[in-house]
Amino acid sequence: EIVMTQSPATLSVSPGERGTLSCRASQSIRTNLAWYQQKPGQAPRLLIYGALTRADGTPDRFSGSGSGTDFTLTISNLQSDDSAIYFCQYYNKRPPIAFGQGTRLEIK
Amino acid sequence: QVRLEQSGAEVKKPGSSVKVSCTAFGGSFNSDTFSWVRQAPGQGPEWMGRIIPILGETDYAQRFQGRITVTADKSTSTVFLDLARLTIEDSAIYYCSREYTGSYAGVLPYWGPGSLVTVSS
Repeated sequence: EIVMTQSPATLSVSPGERGTLSCRASQSIRTNLAWYQQKPGQAPRLLIYGALTRADGTPDRFSGSGSGTDFTLTISNLQSDDSAIYFCQYYNKRPPIAFGQGTRLEIK
Repeated sequence: QVRLEQSGAEVKKPGSSVKVSCTAFGGSFNSDTFSWVRQAPGQGPEWMGRIIPILGETDYAQRFQGRITVTADKSTSTVFLDLARLTIEDSAIYYCSREYTGSYAGVLPYWGPGSLVTVSS
């Protein structure tokens, strides 16, 4: 079983600053890593896949990096609309597929 | 553009079963892959299973083996999730999602609005 661990649980950042969210896999997952944004009452929205490829419509303020077991989502020039919970996901053609428990991003 | 419509909220008794549906508009239903993901209050998403309608192939998360069935009706472009022997812990929002295929199989770019399932005695 692959376990995805995200840190911190909550991140509070001022507008215009940069936010850095981390995701660690319990074993190497190469670059099979996606990031999602979820706002209250909505389904998750795909932001990044392949660890660093932005999905259609994802602003270039969002960037992903990492491989193996350690991954980072960086959001620059933070805006109030970025307030949300961010999840990382290990994906594959075959199970398991695993999500992290999320990082809540608060814009001060 | 792909759009996914899901069935409405359900209230079930412990020990019973629930069937949730998801109808796809746009895309190419038969060759697509659809996943079911659930999310309990305050928790991260949890992948449950998937189906490739054209092949009838399914994959299930190990923890649901034996009580989950995912099926598809090609004539109505609808996929179904059946979950049996419900417990209180199965109370969650159940989402269907259409996956990318090929190298990015398992990535979930399209999501339905979710179906709330409440299990209560």
